[in-house]
Amino acid sequence: GAGVSQSPRYKVAKRGQDVALRCDPISGHVSLFWYQQALGQGPEFLTYFQNEAQLDKSGLPSDRFFAERPEGSVSTLKIQRTQQEDSAVYLCASSFRTFQETQYFGPGTRLLVL
Amino acid sequence: AQSVTQLGSHVSVSEGALVLLRCNYSSSVPPYLFWYVQYPNQGLQLLLKYTSAATLVKGINGFEAEFKKSETSFHLTKPSAHMSDAAEYFCAVSDGGSARQLTFGSGTQLTVLP
Repeated sequence: GAGVSQSPRYKVAKRGQDVALRCDPISGHVSLFWYQQALGQGPEFLTYFQNEAQLDKSGLPSDRFFAERPEGSVSTLKIQRTQQEDSAVYLCASSFRTFQETQYFGPGTRLLVL
Repeated sequence: AQSVTQLGSHVSVSEGALVLLRCNYSSSVPPYLFWYVQYPNQGLQLLLKYTSAATLVKGINGFEAEFKKSETSFHLTKPSAHMSDAAEYFCAVSDGGSARQLTFGSGTQLTVLP
């Protein structure tokens, strides 16, 4: 398929565990975004990459959240020492170039922290 | 700073009736505005976007939206609802500048009654 893919689709973690969420953007897309969507809410911005450069991480809620895109394609969002408030759907989106391009969203990873 | 307000977290219409989903925004610069639809357990799909061209924007599946600067609104309409339109709808804004990310409203759940 040519869309954005994310894995795993569902993740259950015990409080305190580390998790890693993967995003495969559309091939050739320069920009990659991570959003967090709490139950019943709209997505909220976490971080933005242009190729391998992380240009904006202002939305990351704490230093337990870390994202990388080392080769400018696949991205990983890592959450260390998960807390119950981290339970949410994590959405990845990519766009061809930079701003004003349509962002294409993946299906999301639903994280439940027990 | 940008923000989006979606009036009505739940809207119900009868099949064949007009759909009207409300969105108001605030932005310090001319905005770029988007409507996305989210079906259960799926990512967000772009319905339409406004990027300072025509104020009446036509999208997929018969939806359209009109940008009204004086009212700071970008309401989504469809003349005749189909059962398949039942989903959650999100309005989003981007200022097109350094804030490349989208700022979303809290969403409107549309129910279509037979």
